[in-house]
Amino acid sequence: QSALTQPASVSGSPGQSITISCTGASSDIGGYNYVSWYQQHPGKAPKVIIYDVSNRPSGVSNRFSGSKSGNTASLTISGLQAEDEGDYYCSSYTNTLAFVLFGGGTKVTVV
Amino acid sequence: QVQLQESGPGLVKPSQTLSLTCSVSSGSIRSGAYYWSWFRQHPGKGLEWIAYMSYSGDNYYSPSLKSRLIISVDTSNNLFSLTMSSVTAADTAVYYCARGILTDGNYPTWFDPWGQGTLVTVSS
Repeated sequence: QSALTQPASVSGSPGQSITISCTGASSDIGGYNYVSWYQQHPGKAPKVIIYDVSNRPSGVSNRFSGSKSGNTASLTISGLQAEDEGDYYCSSYTNTLAFVLFGGGTKVTVV
Repeated sequence: QVQLQESGPGLVKPSQTLSLTCSVSSGSIRSGAYYWSWFRQHPGKGLEWIAYMSYSGDNYYSPSLKSRLIISVDTSNNLFSLTMSSVTAADTAVYYCARGILTDGNYPTWFDPWGQGTLVTVSS
């Protein structure tokens, strides 16, 4: 069982928007603005798409956006495209000795 | 643009020690803005943080693995390494190295880039 909770799967049609939630606790998501999101395609390494809740690294599409409310962070993908299919993981700093937490991952399917 | 590349044995026998290396290219490992990090992903499962270390020697380990781990940085060769002792089948996974980035605190808050990963199988 992962420390951060994500839905196992989310699907949407091309052009739609979808949102993936990531729920933690006050010791991690709720206490710090240090949530990051990673996209992973099959057989590939993870790639950061959002850091520090809502910042996009250079080169990442502005169709990806992040937010946070209380102990829950969210990733929104707008204008869904076939290339967005893959697994998405949230991560957060935690003030426990675990230091880095991940969600269990959400499989995004474009139907 | 900095790149990371893992190298490892591929196959390790149970109870033996696993040694992994991550070579850093197109960038120096000598930076106080980064922590050099290891992760793993069990087959078909999610990501798990293992350890990270600054070039100056500050190191941090996952509590569940700490007793079996040693992370080190080799500034002369611009690489960092992970040693895991007493491996079992449960350590079979793809192991990734990544650069951890400090935003405004004392610990990295996001990780970029990642190496391509190296599959380690523990089997006799």
